[in-house]
Amino acid sequence: AQSVTQPDIHITVSEGASLELRCNYSYGATPYLFWYVQSPGQGLQLLLKYFSGDTLVQGIKGFEAEFKRSQSSFNLRKPSVHWSDAAEYFCAVGLTYKYIFGTGTRLKVLA
Amino acid sequence: GAVVSQHPSWVICKSGTSVKIECRSLDFQATTMFWYRQFPKQSLMLMATSNEGSKATYEQGVEKDKFLINHASLTLSTLTVTSAHPEDSSFYICSARESTGDDEQFFGPGTRLTVL
Repeated sequence: AQSVTQPDIHITVSEGASLELRCNYSYGATPYLFWYVQSPGQGLQLLLKYFSGDTLVQGIKGFEAEFKRSQSSFNLRKPSVHWSDAAEYFCAVGLTYKYIFGTGTRLKVLA
Repeated sequence: GAVVSQHPSWVICKSGTSVKIECRSLDFQATTMFWYRQFPKQSLMLMATSNEGSKATYEQGVEKDKFLINHASLTLSTLTVTSAHPEDSSFYICSARESTGDDEQFFGPGTRLTVL
């Protein structure tokens, strides 16, 4: 069955430190891939997306993600985290018009 | 562009009443709209897919008589929670897929439903 796994439920980093959030998917073909961020009580904001082409994708707010077909992964990275990045992050896979979301990773940023 | 709105942003109702939530694509036409449900500190779960002019397709385990979906136009889909109960309290998020676009969905800001 298709699935999206975000292995880290919680991550805590210090402000200014680098960040990597992991996402793995299980699907036969290469799906569309997305990263969203959600602040408490708010909707989803798209950080970046991968449809095809260059496997390193640049997004908003200084985020980037790399698609690795061999590992079925689409990890999100940021070189220097800001306190305002504290939020919930969701990886999603687009499969023939349907999205499947990962369970989310809650990011805490220490001052 | 590609803005999706939801109304209301929050609603409180008594147990046994029905609540309607609207989802609108403001600057594009959406052949397909999606309804998700999100419990506190959990992920989004797809409830149903609605296509303009046809019946919605519900995910396994979602009661179609409980969650009525209408997609009467290319810019509006509604979700009605009938005979709401406290366990229906949740955050409901809609998304819309552009008629002429690729598979990307654009998400609304969500509606917080609290059933007393």
